[in-house]
Amino acid sequence: DTAVSQTPKYLVTQMGNDKSIKCEQNLGHDTMYWYKQDSKKFLKIMFSYNNKELIINETVPNRFSPKSPDKAHLNLHINSLELGDSAVYFCASSQDLVQPQHFGDGTRLSIL
Amino acid sequence: EDQVTQSPEALRLQEGESSSLNCSYTVSGLRGLFWYRQDPGKGPEFLFTLYSAGEEKEKERLKATLTKKESFLHITAPKPEDSATYLCAVQARAGGGADGLTFGKGTHLIIQP
Repeated sequence: DTAVSQTPKYLVTQMGNDKSIKCEQNLGHDTMYWYKQDSKKFLKIMFSYNNKELIINETVPNRFSPKSPDKAHLNLHINSLELGDSAVYFCASSQDLVQPQHFGDGTRLSIL
Repeated sequence: EDQVTQSPEALRLQEGESSSLNCSYTVSGLRGLFWYRQDPGKGPEFLFTLYSAGEEKEKERLKATLTKKESFLHITAPKPEDSATYLCAVQARAGGGADGLTFGKGTHLIIQP
């Protein structure tokens, strides 16, 4: 059973489009996260979501918005895609803010 | 600002040749230090959490240690299947940065048969 699953695995789209990436965890965790891994393989936190509280990394453009329909899902919506948004996006979850985070296998986003 | 520096960036070893990976960090109050393994095309896989200086954790051929300024991941008699990128990350007590982990750039480890 996949603990943290993301869809799609690959996403190729044009600049200016709006797209979404879905994330689901079946671990019963209370906290979920989104990370961005750039071309230099550097992983950076974008958002965390815990008990309906969203904490945003201040460097993330407001074109990115996470949406959580329930505790097991945290989807990432991106508006007006730009070339610099090309990266691998990872979803993660943890039992709470101090427990280890478990990651999905990533969504590779390519902007043409 | 929290920072994590890993060295070396890449390491090539012969099967059975033990070595250590270094993770130096600066953080405004350490909540935890984490080691992950990442294989190509996959997400990071959790290995260890260390919470305080002097703490050690072991799993198979891997052993992680922690001081107030750095952590080491010791690999004893590695096998080719240990080849991966090893990531170190810290989480600060202050809860800034969306309570997420601050990662280093990783050490790309290759074990040759």
